[in-house]
Amino acid sequence: SQKIEQNSEALNIQEGKTATLTCNYTNYSPAYLQWYRQDPGRGPVFLLLIRENEKEKRKERLKVTFDTTLKQSLFHITASQPADSATYLCALGDDKIIFGKGTRLHILP
Amino acid sequence: NAGVTQTPKFRILKIGQSMTLQCTQDMNHNYMYWYRQDPGMGLKLIYYSVGAGITDKGEVPNGYNVSRSTTEDFPLRLELAAPSQTSVYFCASSSPVGLNTEAFFGQGTRLTVV
Repeated sequence: SQKIEQNSEALNIQEGKTATLTCNYTNYSPAYLQWYRQDPGRGPVFLLLIRENEKEKRKERLKVTFDTTLKQSLFHITASQPADSATYLCALGDDKIIFGKGTRLHILP
Repeated sequence: NAGVTQTPKFRILKIGQSMTLQCTQDMNHNYMYWYRQDPGMGLKLIYYSVGAGITDKGEVPNGYNVSRSTTEDFPLRLELAAPSQTSVYFCASSSPVGLNTEAFFGQGTRLTVV
């Protein structure tokens, strides 16, 4: 069955440093991969989408890479701020969208 | 812009009771989804729909039913509620313009079965 793994349940990063989150998947060949942010008590909010033929995507301080050979995506937040503290979810799909468990990111002031 | 609206926001059910979680979107999205999220866990797909009249099972469909009679509405029905269905339920929709687009989520329904 399709499986998505986000390697770290929680990650502590010092303010100003780059946070890197990992998403791995198996038994799947998705056409795209998405990253979402979720704050406590709220629904997920879309951040970035990267397609299978794209190696890298950027949006402001966010960068996503997608390696279909390794079946892995890396999500980077540069110059991290305490306001970036949240849970970040990786998602794969076509008709249906399936999510990983998420990584709780804490940016320490 | 209303986006995706879920009702109710909170509900307590007794074991064996039934209820319907409502979900409405006003963005003319063809794709709609129901997820459940247990504490500290990611989202698990219950059911999804790619258009009116079409529904399909997700990862954890047992104990639930859905219908999609209109583009806007995608209600989730719980029959014979069980404590294992205590969770936060999220409805989402995505754009009809091709595949591979972002999902917009509702604010969630927090359900407790006692």
